[in-house]
Amino acid sequence: EVHLVESGGDLAQPGGSLRLSCAASGFTFSGSSMAWVRQGPGKGLEWVATISQDGSEYYVDSIKGRFTISRDNAKNSLYLQMDSLRVEDTAVYYCATSGGGNWGRGTMVTVSS
Amino acid sequence: DVVLTQSPLSLPVTLGQPASVSCRSSQSLVNRNGKTYLIWVRQRPGQSPRRLIYEVSNRDSGVPDRFSGSGSGSDFTLKISRVEAEDVGVYYCMQGTHWPPTFGQGTKVEIK
Repeated sequence: EVHLVESGGDLAQPGGSLRLSCAASGFTFSGSSMAWVRQGPGKGLEWVATISQDGSEYYVDSIKGRFTISRDNAKNSLYLQMDSLRVEDTAVYYCATSGGGNWGRGTMVTVSS
Repeated sequence: DVVLTQSPLSLPVTLGQPASVSCRSSQSLVNRNGKTYLIWVRQRPGQSPRRLIYEVSNRDSGVPDRFSGSGSGSDFTLKISRVEAEDVGVYYCMQGTHWPPTFGQGTKVEIK
């Protein structure tokens, strides 16, 4: 059974940084393209970033230059380094396989002074 | 970015009755490889999303056969043949053909 477990969400100040992690199990992580998707309070879903099996990175414009997606296949883990945080980055961040077939429970990021 | 427009945004349904959600795209979702990367996910209250349908019409494992997806090009539909209480939640269509992947606004299905 596939499991994706996010961690690292917290309260951060505008301009601050956070690093999210996602521990994956139950499938061949190294062979899977992975993604981060977020959902603001009371809002819909927004794709944030994707990293392919070969490590190629893709970002939506709203976070380009501020967030970095990475992976460690030896640890079956996905990461999202979030820098220069803004109030509008406040959301639940989900780790997901890039086809949307599997999702974690999410981790909450709150950006506020 | 590709805009997905869902309708209706709110869908009150009587138990046992059918329900249908439309998803229209601002451009064709047919990939160069001939596949159409349009999925449907459901998010129950307080839960993370779960994919129900992939590539327009393929049900994921464990999804009841009362759920069906159809459509082509830029016009897609999710149908529930007979709504059950466990089907309440917000349904989103999502396209993965064009970067970035985008979601519809969501359709809230509730029981009358």
